[in-house]
Order: sequence, then C-alpha cells, then structure tokens
Amino acid sequence: GAVVSQHPSWVICKSGTSVKIECRSLDFQATTMFWYRQFPKQSLMLMATSNEGSKATYEQGVEKDKFLINHASLTLSTLTVTSAHPEDSSFYICSATEGHWDTGELFFGEGSRLTVL
Amino acid sequence: GQNIDQPTEMTATEGAIVQINCTYQTSGFNGLFWYQQHAGEAPTFLSYNVLDGLEEKGRFSSFLSRSKGYSYLLLKELQMKDSASYLCAVRDSNYQLIWGAGTKLIIKP
Repeated sequence: GAVVSQHPSWVICKSGTSVKIECRSLDFQATTMFWYRQFPKQSLMLMATSNEGSKATYEQGVEKDKFLINHASLTLSTLTVTSAHPEDSSFYICSATEGHWDTGELFFGEGSRLTVL
Repeated sequence: GQNIDQPTEMTATEGAIVQINCTYQTSGFNGLFWYQQHAGEAPTFLSYNVLDGLEEKGRFSSFLSRSKGYSYLLLKELQMKDSASYLCAVRDSNYQLIWGAGTKLIIKP
C-alpha cells in the first residue's frame, strides 16, 4: 500500500518555542492531507484538512494561528505548533489520500509525539 | 449530532474469537472503516464497508447493516499481537470521517 512518512517521531521542546512536523507521501501524490491530534486513551481528533495549494480548513476550536499548516506540494504537508505550551503535548498524526477521497483507504503517517516542557 | 459508539474495552483469550460492535448515527453515510492502533503508534487500515454484508479478510471480518446503523469487526484465532485499540470510523455525507473512541482489546494467554 501507499506509504506516508512523518518526521520527527519524537520531539521535546521548551515552552514558547515552535515545532515543525513534516508529513510526506512517499509513493503517491496526496491531494488531501489530514492532521489529527490524539490525547492518551482518546480517539483521533481532526484538527484540519489540507488541500495542496490552498489554505487548510480548520475544525472548530482549533486555532489556525497556533497550528500553522502548509501543503505546498502534492507530497508534503507541514504542521507548525507555534509558541508551544505544555497543554499542546500530544500525539500528532497526519494522513493522506490519493486522488479523490471516496475510494476508501486513508493512509496514516507514523505519528509524532510532542512533549512541551 | 453525529455519534459513533463502541465498547471501551474488551478482553478475550488467545485462540478465541471476539466481536467488536460499532453503532453510528451520522448525517449521511459514505462508508465505514475499521482501523487497528497499537499503543503509541498510528492507526493501520483493517477494513472498509460501504454495502451491507460481510467482508472477510483473513482472520478479520467486518459486517455492515446500514439500516441499523451497525457494524462489527470479528477477529478469529486471536493472537497476542492483536492486543490493540480498534477504531470504528464513518464517513458522512460531506466525506468527513467521524471517529469512535476506540475499543481497547486485551488478549490473555
């Protein structure tokens, strides 16, 4: 199946700094990428939907100025957590779909665990 | 509102069979997914149902009844490595994925 790579897998940063997480589709062109956040023992929470070349669509309650999403190419989307605080510590997961999003499978990256001290 | 319900936790014995249920209430329906997620890892795709009936894939099968808003994931010949969370997700009329909270499956020897 298609491969989505996410980097870094783990990141620890100080409060107030910014962290960038990359999500790459390795063997397909991802017209749409999704960014999720998952707190311990909870399900996935969609943060935003990103289409290549256009602005991301954020879910209600997600601060677009805090979570900057860039989808500049068909194989790369980035999530930047700006001015991170301890409450931003979470597991961030990206996913991507190839072509039109009605054929089934959504491919996930490995996830990035962010710890803000 | 939109809602996906699945049990929080289930326990089963190695070698046995377990059925994980999922009921949903969504605005429209464009497919139901089951994903497996091991602790600290991203979800991996298990199955996709868009028509009523049973889809079998090796030890795993998934069933859908659209009229009842109901699905189940059936795991046979359970192995210790099947210990994980199983996430049910429904794609609504806007092609948005609505996620259940997941069922943590514990396999005992």
